[in-house]
Amino acid sequence: DAGITQSPRHKVTETGTPVTLRCHQTENHRYMYWYRQDPGHGLRLIHYSYGVKDTDKGEVSDGYSVSRSKTEDFLLTLESATSSQTSVYFCAISVRQGTGELFFGEGSRLTVL
Amino acid sequence: QQQVKQSPQSLIVQKGGIPIINCAYENTAFDYFPWYQQFPGKGPALLIAIRPDVSEKKEGRFTISFNKSAKQFSLHIMDSQPGDSATYFCAATAEGYQKVTFGTGTKLQVIP
Repeated sequence: DAGITQSPRHKVTETGTPVTLRCHQTENHRYMYWYRQDPGHGLRLIHYSYGVKDTDKGEVSDGYSVSRSKTEDFLLTLESATSSQTSVYFCAISVRQGTGELFFGEGSRLTVL
Repeated sequence: QQQVKQSPQSLIVQKGGIPIINCAYENTAFDYFPWYQQFPGKGPALLIAIRPDVSEKKEGRFTISFNKSAKQFSLHIMDSQPGDSATYFCAATAEGYQKVTFGTGTKLQVIP
């Protein structure tokens, strides 16, 4: 089974502070994704990566940046957190390319006060 | 358009009932339609998936029905159990297209 570890699992921060969420995979899957989940909106793609240093925007990328310096790690950064970024963030990997079959992490709950 | 519309937003059924969750899409390039199940505090997990060249797929008590001409697909849960209480997401993607578009989710509660 693909293994994904997200950290931190819970974080409370204040408006204007930078926040970095980390996603670590134990297998060398090429595609990694960051989604946010909000009531009434389902899962919305923030950014995704198709290899080391190769990333692209999703549908809700404003206010977020990502980096992937190693195959196993995909970082999501909120440069200056806002209350609208309070959400649950999920990292996912593509276990079978072109199928939409994703394996998700356990999520990181972020609260911005 | 990339949108996938999902309904209902929430659903309550009695144990043994057959909840039905519906999804519709617009992008005719979509050619793979997975469903995900999410329990509270957990990440979504792949449940079942279908390609548009088949009209129905069953895995255990879960069945996907697909209507290509109407661009609609649905999930049926036969003999539903309280343990099926979860949020269900439909999704869609296309071969070679690495983004997956999700519906807004349906919160299902199966009462004993």
